[in-house]
Amino acid sequence: QSALTQPPSVSGSPGQSVTISCTGTSSDVGYYNRVCWYQQPPGTAPKLMVYDVSNRPSGVPDRFSGSKSGNTASLTISGLQAEDEADYYCSSYTRSSTYVFGTGTKVTVL
Amino acid sequence: QVQVVQSGAEVKKPGASVKVSCTASGYIFTDYVIHWVRQAPGQRLEWMGCIKVGNDDTKYSQKFQGRVTITRDTSASTAYMDLTSLTSEDTAVYYCAREKLGGYWFDPWGQGTLVTVSS
Repeated sequence: QSALTQPPSVSGSPGQSVTISCTGTSSDVGYYNRVCWYQQPPGTAPKLMVYDVSNRPSGVPDRFSGSKSGNTASLTISGLQAEDEADYYCSSYTRSSTYVFGTGTKVTVL
Repeated sequence: QVQVVQSGAEVKKPGASVKVSCTASGYIFTDYVIHWVRQAPGQRLEWMGCIKVGNDDTKYSQKFQGRVTITRDTSASTAYMDLTSLTSEDTAVYYCAREKLGGYWFDPWGQGTLVTVSS
């Protein structure tokens, strides 16, 4: 199972919006609405930010939003804040009943 | 509160095995799935496998099939990940994470266990 493809890095100034893409195949991202996004600040464990493409767990700011079109999912962070600086990973359930993660994207707040 | 707490760091020699534990609290252990994910230094997250705690059903990534075994002890609310035939490429932080049955998302995650393989 190959990793889902994400851009290595994105950046933006405070208050701006950034979007991270996550491209898979018709056997994972494109097949199920089971895409999640995790935030991982340096040296810490991942934290769930979005599940089932576009749902936010309790406590996650509504600045974080997810979407999907075909084999590509996206995470948008609106109103970027310094605390959003971290690595972000997408993941998807697959037709093999396994899970696959993305290559990871480093978000930098300028 | 809901949490999963992992065992401490390990240092192993090539060819050895390692067993990492993940102890759950704050919820009904048997109603969930426990996943294991690893992250080599500076690398991406990599799914290894999982166990449905209630019925002991396991699923493994093809990459680790034959080298990894995930088990659980319901009386101790603890899951275990056993990885054999270690090489330097297995040096990584190993995480456990909880999935609600049919949820397809991982929350919360353990704090991670660093496994270093070195001669």
